[in-house]
Amino acid sequence: QSALTQPASVSGSPGQSITISCTGTNSDVFSYNYVSWYQQPPGKAPKLIIYDVSYRPSGVSHRFSGSYSGDTASLTISGLQAEDEADYYCSTFTTSHTLVIFGGGTKLTVL
Amino acid sequence: EVQLVQSGAEVKEPGESLKISCKTSGYTFTNYWIGWVRQMPGKGLEWMGIIHPHDSDTRYSPSFQGQVTISVDVATTTTYLHWSSLKASDTAMYHCARRGDNWFDSWGQGTLVIVSS
Repeated sequence: QSALTQPASVSGSPGQSITISCTGTNSDVFSYNYVSWYQQPPGKAPKLIIYDVSYRPSGVSHRFSGSYSGDTASLTISGLQAEDEADYYCSTFTTSHTLVIFGGGTKLTVL
Repeated sequence: EVQLVQSGAEVKEPGESLKISCKTSGYTFTNYWIGWVRQMPGKGLEWMGIIHPHDSDTRYSPSFQGQVTISVDVATTTTYLHWSSLKASDTAMYHCARRGDNWFDSWGQGTLVIVSS
């Protein structure tokens, strides 16, 4: 079973930086060029914050950045703010570009 | 402004049928895929399937193939998610989302479906 694995939770204090990893268990299946990240605050809909590994949509803070190395994509949030507290999900497509996969999600707590 | 507005919460009994909707506006409906995502209570996002309104080309996650049906009405720029026979395990929030090239760039507000006897 192919999957994207994320840590269940991460935490940080205001002003600090944190990184959330997203590792594929079957790299022959995933398109790592197409990793995107979504932020979901409690009780709200997901919001796109990173696409194609490292690009930010218009209006998304520069504090959010994405990268990829080996079989792992990463989301870094710098200068943590209380409003960043949310669940974060990575996602990509299969190499056939027909199916979508989400990671299990990471709960970010701002201490 | 791109908008995806979903139908309201539903409470159904097991075995009943249900169709929820996702009304889109602010862009050319037939140019973008629309996907559906399930989120069970307290759990993560699960991709269910996706449809292209231009030709109704539909792809389903293997986990949802045969369990739901995705359809579109081009005249009303609306996408639907349909169950013919609900189960208690279908209780979840369901999100629709517009697919950009390789991402989902706009999301509906979600529709809560509760299936209980």
